[in-house]
Amino acid sequence: AQSVSQHNHHVILSEAASLELGCNYSYGGTVNLFWYVQYPGQHLQLLLKYFSGDPLVKGIKGFEAEFIKSKFSFNLRKPSVQWSDTAEYFCAVNAANFGNEKLTFGTGTRLTIIP
Amino acid sequence: GAGVSQSPSNKVTEKGKDVELRCDPISGHTALYWYRQSLGQGLEFLIYFQGNSAPDKSGLPSDRFSAERTGGSVSTLTIQRTQQEDSAVYLCASTWSKGTGQPQHFGDGTRLSIL
Repeated sequence: AQSVSQHNHHVILSEAASLELGCNYSYGGTVNLFWYVQYPGQHLQLLLKYFSGDPLVKGIKGFEAEFIKSKFSFNLRKPSVQWSDTAEYFCAVNAANFGNEKLTFGTGTRLTIIP
Repeated sequence: GAGVSQSPSNKVTEKGKDVELRCDPISGHTALYWYRQSLGQGLEFLIYFQGNSAPDKSGLPSDRFSAERTGGSVSTLTIQRTQQEDSAVYLCASTWSKGTGQPQHFGDGTRLSIL
């Protein structure tokens, strides 16, 4: 069974600071990796995904994530955060599969940006 | 276009009552997933539908929980004899099921509170 760990539960940064949120997963097979974001009062939205190819993936709003297979990690980064990035961020994984692609989520990281 | 629609958005009910939660997926999406977001538990998979069949019910926490999908579209999650531990946000997601790595599109969820 898959599992996902997000070690940072709550991160507080000032605007323009750099961000890195950790995500580690455990699974023996080929996986797809995702970061979802939930802005206050809104539904979960896809930020970026990795399923093959270049391990450095770029998403919306200047976010990027790097898949490091040897470390089972998929950390999320942004060089300069904005107040509007305040949200909850979820890392998720599913087994690369045609059909049932149920997601296993981490417990989430709440990001608070101070203006 | 229209996203995943869930109703009701909020439901408050007394312990022991039955509740029905509805999900209307994006038109044409064949795969539908139910998840539960509990305080401190993160997002947990409940059940997966492909068309009208549910090949994976492994996440349903007890036999009080059931779900169905009709016409390959709308799905209903039913919780019988609700307990306080059922209080959570119930999320529905849908996707094309035509290849690995397809992102899931989430609804706004139903916030269920059991008194």
